[in-house]
Amino acid sequence: NAGVTQTPKFQVLKTGQSMTLQCAQDMNHNSMYWYRQDPGMGLRLIYYSASEGTTDKGEVPNGYNVSRLNKREFSLRLESAAPSQTSVYFCASSEGRTGEAFFGQGTRLTVV
Amino acid sequence: KNQVEQSPQSLIILEGKNCTLQCNYTVSPFSNLRWYKQDTGRGPVSLTIMTFSENTKSNGRYTATLDADTKQSSLHITASQLSDSASYICVVSAKGNTDKLIFGTGTRLQVFP
Repeated sequence: NAGVTQTPKFQVLKTGQSMTLQCAQDMNHNSMYWYRQDPGMGLRLIYYSASEGTTDKGEVPNGYNVSRLNKREFSLRLESAAPSQTSVYFCASSEGRTGEAFFGQGTRLTVV
Repeated sequence: KNQVEQSPQSLIILEGKNCTLQCNYTVSPFSNLRWYKQDTGRGPVSLTIMTFSENTKSNGRYTATLDADTKQSSLHITASQLSDSASYICVVSAKGNTDKLIFGTGTRLQVFP
């Protein structure tokens, strides 16, 4: 039982490059989330998906797109990376709106 | 504005000692409050979840308290171990908006032998 799996763990991009962060969960959870964590700040929600086929913007969605491919997978895409997107990205899932949230191990992204 | 504030920002204690971390929030209407432990380079892991009606919850050596009237919570760690070295994050969700969690910036705890 792997829980929430994110790939890659580390990535360096040049400004303007694109990439997709992958996330998969094996707990049959309906809700999935993407957060970013920056020094001195709490985790901030980028996008979330309450169920398969639905997505919604969080606090800091600009510069990102998401796809809820199926119940297991929720990907985050950076179309044109900017240095301000240098951060640690976490995917999470939960069963319903009040359930405990389980987090992946994070992706450390550096944009130069 | 919904906010979660934690204190202290960082804390150093000796192994075997107890400590208490604080969390104040202004989230309204309140749904639940969670404490997470985040080891360096890892994702947060849930320690406790408390709803409005719960004022104490324990998970091993971790005990969380909640005072919904004063909008304060604390996390007490008993007989600390080296493995307790981590960031502890207080997270609050608002009723009717529980897909959106509001995170504190965390308390960085270091336990030395």
